[in-house]
Amino acid sequence: AQTVTQSQPEMSVQEAETVTLSCTYDTSENNYYLFWYKQPPSRQMILVIRQEAYKQQNATENRFSVNFQKAAKSFSLKISDSQLGDTAMYFCAFMKLSNTGNQFYFGTGTSLTVIP
Amino acid sequence: KAGVTQTPRYLIKTRGQQVTLSCSPISGHRSVSWYQQTPGQGLQFLFEYFSETQRNKGNFPGRFSGRQFSNSRSEMNVSTLELGDSALYLCASSFLNHRGTEAFFGQGTRLTVV
Repeated sequence: AQTVTQSQPEMSVQEAETVTLSCTYDTSENNYYLFWYKQPPSRQMILVIRQEAYKQQNATENRFSVNFQKAAKSFSLKISDSQLGDTAMYFCAFMKLSNTGNQFYFGTGTSLTVIP
Repeated sequence: KAGVTQTPRYLIKTRGQQVTLSCSPISGHRSVSWYQQTPGQGLQFLFEYFSETQRNKGNFPGRFSGRQFSNSRSEMNVSTLELGDSALYLCASSFLNHRGTEAFFGQGTRLTVV
């Protein structure tokens, strides 16, 4: 079975500062993807960044980057130059891809507040 | 291209009724999966469809069912609604090719059972 753990229920950061959200996962799969999704109060689940497990290079998307440590099964999200619009719940997600079905496994989320 | 569209956005139903939710995936995406989100249980997997076939199902009672049409649009149905079915229902559309995968969510349907 796959599990995703986000050990930080709540975090806060000053505007323009950098913050790192932690995520660990457990799986015996080799073919999988990792994602960070942002869910603001509107409840829309917005894709922030994704990482293919077979790629060693860490993914980056503008102010968002990940630190993917496959052996340690760790997938943290770094947000640089934090903005007020980054305030949201952040979910780390693992997706198993197989002929028997694609399925997301989610962590419990980290509520991030950006302080002006 | 258009995103994932879920309808309706909000629903209020009475206990014992049934409800049907709809999800139109991104064009070209053949996999649609459904999730229930509640404050107490977080995000839980309901089922996944690919090319009109249910490939995977989560641990939900048989009152929860779904289907997928030839145009990849998917519906989920909940019969004999219970108060505990009140939740945000999210669908995700995903696609896999040689360049990798992409997966996007709809805005969700907020179901309230009274």
